Amino acid sequence: AAGVIQSPRHLIKEKRETATLKCYPIPRHDTVYWYQQGPGQDPQFLISFYEKMQSDKGSIPDRFSAQQFSDYHSELNMSSLELGDSALYFCASSLEYRGGRDTDTQYFGPGTRLTVL
Amino acid sequence: AQKVTQAQTEISVVEKEDVTLDCVYETRDTTYYLFWYKQPPSGELVFLIRRNSFDEQNEISGRYSWNFQKSTSSFNFTITASQVVDSAVYFCALSLIYNQGGKLIFGQGTELSVKP
Repeated sequence: AAGVIQSPRHLIKEKRETATLKCYPIPRHDTVYWYQQGPGQDPQFLISFYEKMQSDKGSIPDRFSAQQFSDYHSELNMSSLELGDSALYFCASSLEYRGGRDTDTQYFGPGTRLTVL
Repeated sequence: AQKVTQAQTEISVVEKEDVTLDCVYETRDTTYYLFWYKQPPSGELVFLIRRNSFDEQNEISGRYSWNFQKSTSSFNFTITASQVVDSAVYFCALSLIYNQGGKLIFGQGTELSVKP
């Protein structure tokens, strides 16, 4: 079965540079989520989109922005990168609840490991 | 606000032992989901199970079983006859039902090490 695709898988940037992470959800999934996981920590929610509209927002820095496009893929844009932004960034997708057994379950991509030097 | 607590930071067992990972949650909402995810050393997050707040029926899947008890706000995970391949960090998580794009709230994770 098709899974969530994230690109790139690894990214190395210098401080103050910008980065763009891409996420392609599972086909037919209409909701995309972004999470940040620091070393030894649990994933922290950043932001989500349902049907291309921002749905929920967590502790996402103002330097970060994201959007979901008409084909449902999503991009996370990160500017003025700081050393503390080094982390594993996950994208997840789900199908919004419509009474089905498998709806509302978030399936995660393999993650993008961002290193800021 | 919601909260998930996994009090066990690390557990080490020998292969073929049974092991239970504890998860306690807090929420004032009456409709929610509980999840378990596995994060092996390779780093991906793998979905294991989802339970609804209105369904306390326990579940067994092969060597895995889950015990959901609303009375104690717990959703524990037991691995029977553990194997080396079970070594991973396991996360318990909660989200609200009927909440479009609702976030997962994770526990701190339990790192399970299964030694041969």
